[in-house]
Amino acid sequence: DGGITQSPKYLFRKEGQNVTLSCEQNLNHDAMYWYRQDPGQGLRLIYYSQIVNDFQKGDIAEGYSVSREKKESFPLTVTSAQKNPTAFYLCASSIGTSQETQYFGPGTRLLVL
Amino acid sequence: AQSVTQLGSHVSVSEGALVLLRCNYSSSVPPYLFWYVQYPNQGLQLLLKYTSAATLVKGINGFEAEFKKSETSFHLTKPSAHMSDAAEYFCAVSPGFQKLVFGTGTRLLVSP
Repeated sequence: DGGITQSPKYLFRKEGQNVTLSCEQNLNHDAMYWYRQDPGQGLRLIYYSQIVNDFQKGDIAEGYSVSREKKESFPLTVTSAQKNPTAFYLCASSIGTSQETQYFGPGTRLLVL
Repeated sequence: AQSVTQLGSHVSVSEGALVLLRCNYSSSVPPYLFWYVQYPNQGLQLLLKYTSAATLVKGINGFEAEFKKSETSFHLTKPSAHMSDAAEYFCAVSPGFQKLVFGTGTRLLVSP
């Protein structure tokens, strides 16, 4: 079955530590996205990528980094510069970025120790 | 700037009652509009999508939404709520050649 997988389901970060969230898709989609979800704030776009080896900052990119070396994979690193990383992180993909349906993974919940 | 407003962060209904979740958008060009549903600790699932083919759009699980250009609205309805409809619902707009912009969500509570 085609879809999007995210791992791990739960992730714990220590002070000053960088952590990486995995996102893989087998839908053959060109575009991929990372969102952060906090209670009452909806989804906020962190980064998105329209094609391999290219990505753009979203609305809240500070403290995060991404790479897009393969079409199927779009990992997100939460760096130590992100002072409030506790949130639910959602990865999505779509055929393109223009008026296309985005399909979401199951999410990763990041907690700070 | 394009935006989406969802009126009411929480909506409560009784099982069997009409569900109405409100969404208003702003867009300088004809938009595509979406409704997504999110169950606790899960990703978002597409309920329905408006692409200008028909103003009344039917989705999964008995939901439908009507596009009203004069009111810039795309409200989500279901004639009879079921306990399994309890979830958070997100409206999103994609105006022109732009990526999706999401509303802040409405949590639907269904009581027996």
